[in-house]
Amino acid sequence: GQNIDQPTEMTATEGAIVQINCTYQTSGFNGLFWYQQHAGEAPTFLSYNVLDGLEEKGRFSSFLSRSKGYSYLLLKELQMKDSASYLCAVFTGGGNKLTFGTGTQLKVEL
Amino acid sequence: EPEVTQTPSHQVTQMGQEVILRCVPISNHLYFYWYRQILGQKVEFLVSFYNNEISEKSEIFDDQFSVERPDGSNFTLKIRSTKLEDSAMYFCASLERAGELFFGEGSRLTVL
Repeated sequence: GQNIDQPTEMTATEGAIVQINCTYQTSGFNGLFWYQQHAGEAPTFLSYNVLDGLEEKGRFSSFLSRSKGYSYLLLKELQMKDSASYLCAVFTGGGNKLTFGTGTQLKVEL
Repeated sequence: EPEVTQTPSHQVTQMGQEVILRCVPISNHLYFYWYRQILGQKVEFLVSFYNNEISEKSEIFDDQFSVERPDGSNFTLKIRSTKLEDSAMYFCASLERAGELFFGEGSRLTVL
């Protein structure tokens, strides 16, 4: 089966940088996704890594190391609206299935 | 921008009743999914559907659940006899071939 671990909660200050880590153990790995989810809403796509390295997209960057089973999401210039749950998810072949971690609840404070 | 649409947005039902949740995936997408999220918990995979058949299902997706693509556009999730613990947000998602899964806004099911 799949095992995906990420911290439950994090707190950061407006304007700062925060890094949310994710470790995973899975078979048939086909990519790693990060989604943002506000309470009561659907997950929205942030980033997708298939190969090792850093993907940058505006204020958000995501890193993947397949050999270490590790990824992180980096959020720069934090804004209050970034307060949300950040979901690490692993895509596996076969059923082309996306499996989510429990999510990291990020609180951005003044 | 194309989107996945779901109906109803909220349904309240009595325990033991049948419920059908409807989804219209993005038109050129090939893979379809149902996920659920119990309040305060993680997003859980239920089932994936490709080429008019189930490609994978989770342990949650027991005999009470079924999926169907009755025509070229709709993708439905049926729960035959709802239980209290089926109360959750149900998300439909679709995928073209690879890359991003697009999620619908969700259908909140409340079982009384």
